[in-house]
Amino acid sequence: DAGVIQSPRHEVTEMGQEVTLRCKPISGHDYLFWYRQTMMRGLELLIYFNNNVPIDDSGMPEDRFSAKMPNASFSTLKIQPSEPRDSAVYFCASSPPGGRSSYNEQFFGPGTRLTVL
Amino acid sequence: GENVEQHPSTLSVQEGDSAVIKCTYSDSASNYFPWYKQELGKRPQLIIDIRSNVGEKKDQRIAVTLNKTAKHFSLHITETQPEDSAVYFCAARGSGNTGKLIFGQGTTLQVKP
Repeated sequence: DAGVIQSPRHEVTEMGQEVTLRCKPISGHDYLFWYRQTMMRGLELLIYFNNNVPIDDSGMPEDRFSAKMPNASFSTLKIQPSEPRDSAVYFCASSPPGGRSSYNEQFFGPGTRLTVL
Repeated sequence: GENVEQHPSTLSVQEGDSAVIKCTYSDSASNYFPWYKQELGKRPQLIIDIRSNVGEKKDQRIAVTLNKTAKHFSLHITETQPEDSAVYFCAARGSGNTGKLIFGQGTTLQVKP
């Protein structure tokens, strides 16, 4: 397996533009997580899905951020309009099916470095 | 809400010395505690984890201890090497078997040759 795949790896855009980040989880994993990492705030969970359904989006900063998971192999995180303070590294992670006796390692993708000018 | 506190935020040691990073968690129902290592410019990767029914786990030079009563757990690295230099994150699995991990703020470890 190729692991979690994210695209693009780097994105530079201007304030006000729409940004779409993409993620392909590891096949068979039913949890998908979107994180944002900055020096100031560390690693923040934005939203996560289970079986393509959003479970907890309490970490989404504001209405400018939205995430979708149309099927088990694809998810997007969209920022519209983007602002300079959105500049960060965005990680996608996936983990295997959960359950009472399972302990779910999260496998991270390589991240997307977003710069908003 | 659920919270994980991690200390120290930075740690500098001489090669060969030991390093200890400590975390406390708030949710007494947490039952899984992984540690991730993130090298500069790379993704976080799991290095060791411990479950709530175990007090200590060791893997070569790294070990993790868990004190459920006090709700804290620690990462111990012995005989540190320059390649151990990285940011280390502790995490606690949220209650309810949700699969969600609550991460600490991270510790930047520098091992001086």
